[in-house]
Amino acid sequence: GAGVSQSPSNKVTEKGKDVELRCDPISGHTALYWYRQSLGQGLEFLIYFQGNSAPDKSGLPSDRFSAERTGGSVSTLTIQRTQQEDSAVYLCASSLGGGSSYEQYFGPGTRLTVT
Amino acid sequence: DQQVKQNSPSLSVQEGRISILNCDYTNSMFDYFLWYKKYPAEGPTFLISISSIKDKNEDGRFTVFLNKSAKHLSLHIVPSQPGDSAVYFCAAMRAGSARQLTFGSGTQLTVLP
Repeated sequence: GAGVSQSPSNKVTEKGKDVELRCDPISGHTALYWYRQSLGQGLEFLIYFQGNSAPDKSGLPSDRFSAERTGGSVSTLTIQRTQQEDSAVYLCASSLGGGSSYEQYFGPGTRLTVT
Repeated sequence: DQQVKQNSPSLSVQEGRISILNCDYTNSMFDYFLWYKKYPAEGPTFLISISSIKDKNEDGRFTVFLNKSAKHLSLHIVPSQPGDSAVYFCAAMRAGSARQLTFGSGTQLTVLP
């Protein structure tokens, strides 16, 4: 079946511009996560959506970052007034959520470069 | 403060031999652990996981061992194959919470033919 998809695969933007990154989770997965991997770093949790519950935004690094999930499916991560330190690979993951299903399945990521 | 640590950034192993990748954690609240494999320009791929109520889980060539008292886990790959060459990430979560993963920094495994 189809896995997690993300678009665009690469994005180059000028400092100060806003960017939107999109994630399509696996069909039927109720939980959706955003992570980022900066150069030479491990993956860092950003935000978590579970069903219709309020998102867990505890990992967002600043108020320039926001995310929404429409209809319990597609999610968009928005970064306003981008800075060079925002350059990273942004990864989306989904999981079945609830019960004993803990495995998260990742998309290929969006490589963001802020010049 | 790194809660999940992979102290070896790289490991080289001969084809057919055993690869052992190590991971340490500091947060005693973690109760579920996962290993992911990552190729360049791809997202991480789930490999194997283990609950804190177990000390071993096996899936084909992959076995994960958990030592809770030492807060240490390891991934064994045997026999190693050239296609196993990738970056391996250890991850941990608190299963009862939001379940976000805390990742280690990764170990680059190279399997030499």
